[in-house]
Amino acid sequence: AQTVTQSQPEMSVQEAETVTLSCTYDTSENNYYLFWYKQPPSRQMILVIRQEAYKQQNATENRFSVNFQKAAKSFSLKISDSQLGDTAMYFCAFIVPNTDKLIFGTGTRLQVFP
Amino acid sequence: GAVVSQHPSRVICKSGTSVKIECRSLDFQATTMFWYRQFPKQSLMLMATSNEGSKATYEQGVEKDKFLINHASLTLSTLTVTSAHPEDSSFYICSAPREGYTDTQYFGPGTRLTVL
Repeated sequence: AQTVTQSQPEMSVQEAETVTLSCTYDTSENNYYLFWYKQPPSRQMILVIRQEAYKQQNATENRFSVNFQKAAKSFSLKISDSQLGDTAMYFCAFIVPNTDKLIFGTGTRLQVFP
Repeated sequence: GAVVSQHPSRVICKSGTSVKIECRSLDFQATTMFWYRQFPKQSLMLMATSNEGSKATYEQGVEKDKFLINHASLTLSTLTVTSAHPEDSSFYICSAPREGYTDTQYFGPGTRLTVL
C-alpha cells in the first residue's frame, strides 16, 4: 500500500526565517510524482511544488525547494524567507501511477510569526 | 493556468433533503475528476473518481447510493448528497487533472455543506 507520512502536526517560524517540513512515503513503484500543496485559511488547495521521481535534481519554486531523497523515500519542503502569507496547512502528496489518485499525508500546520 | 470552480461555495440544508454540488473545469477538459471530503483539521479523503461517459468508481467505505456522481461533460462533474443527515456535514473538494497532464491536479475552492 502507498502511504504518505507527515510527522510534524504543527510548526512555527519567525518571519524571514527558514523552515523545513518533513514528509516520507512508501511505495514499491519506481516512477511517480510527489507534491506539496498549501491550504490557507480560505481552504483553497494550492500547488506549491512538484517533483518527478526520475529526476535527481531537487525541484525549486522561488522561495520553496525540496530535498528529495529517493532511496530514503523522503521529500521535505524548505521555505526560505518565510512570509506571513505562508501561514497554512501544508500537505505532502503522492500520485499513484496509472490511477491519477493522490494520496495525502495528514498535513503540517505552519504558523509564521511576525 | 488551470482553473476549477465549485458551486455552491457553501450550502445549508435540512436533514432528509438532497444537495447537488457542481465541479467545473473552466479552461481545460477533464475526462476524470476526483471528489474529496475533508473534516476540520484533517487531511483530504478521496471519495470517488468521476469518469466522463461512464460510472464513477468509489473508494472503499463510501456509499454509492448516498453520494451520487455524474460526469455529464468534459468540463462538469456533479456530486449529489442524497437524503442528507447531519453526519454528512463536511467540506467537499473536487480536483481535476488536465487532459494530457495527468500527473498534476488542480483543485476547486471547495463546498461547505451543513446539514441541520
